[in-house]
Amino acid sequence: DIQMTQSPSSLSASVGDRVTITCRASQSITSYLNWYQQKSGKAPKVLIYAASSLESGVPSRFSGSGSGTDFTLTISSLQPEDFAIYYCQQSHSTPYTFGQGTKLEI
Amino acid sequence: EVQLVESGGGLVQPGGSLRLACAASGFTFSNYYWMHWVRQAPGKGLVWVSRIKSDGSRTTYADSVKGRFTISRDNAKNTLYLQMNSLRAEDTAVYYCARDPDSYGYSYFDSWSQGTLVTVSS
Repeated sequence: DIQMTQSPSSLSASVGDRVTITCRASQSITSYLNWYQQKSGKAPKVLIYAASSLESGVPSRFSGSGSGTDFTLTISSLQPEDFAIYYCQQSHSTPYTFGQGTKLEI
Repeated sequence: EVQLVESGGGLVQPGGSLRLACAASGFTFSNYYWMHWVRQAPGKGLVWVSRIKSDGSRTTYADSVKGRFTISRDNAKNTLYLQMNSLRAEDTAVYYCARDPDSYGYSYFDSWSQGTLVTVSS
């Protein structure tokens, strides 16, 4: 199975900050990397798919980059509604695996 | 509007069975879309469970549920199912169904259900 490791596990930031979350795969997954946001008690929501494609309706302050084994999710200017848990997920091969999550706190 | 509405969760004893259903609306369920089940134990992260191709011809499972869980779909009823047998305490989780648009060969989950809690306990 492909292991996905996110860093950091938690992050404190302020409104307006630029934030970067990283995700590393245990083997190359080319661009088969997705990012999700999950708020407390809610289902996850996709932000980025195929490493860098912004899902329709997602604000442009979210961006993704990377290929191979190293990926990043960047939020250019944090908004109050962005405080949540973020997960990366590989869809290169089954079992599809998620990172352990990054909790973004005020 | 795309909607995925789950039913069937609840409390079950170890070794018991439960069937989850996920009713889809707002899109053509039988076209293109793989469907998946993803679970989340209380306070833990997301874990992929299973997937099924749009026509039901292919299924895949996580090792942790292989041989115990069965994914299926009824395209005439626009409904996805997860039959869970021989349930264990470690299966306790919120279960989500999710749609996969398989966009240009890239698999991801663009719509999710509200989630249903399955609790395995005596």
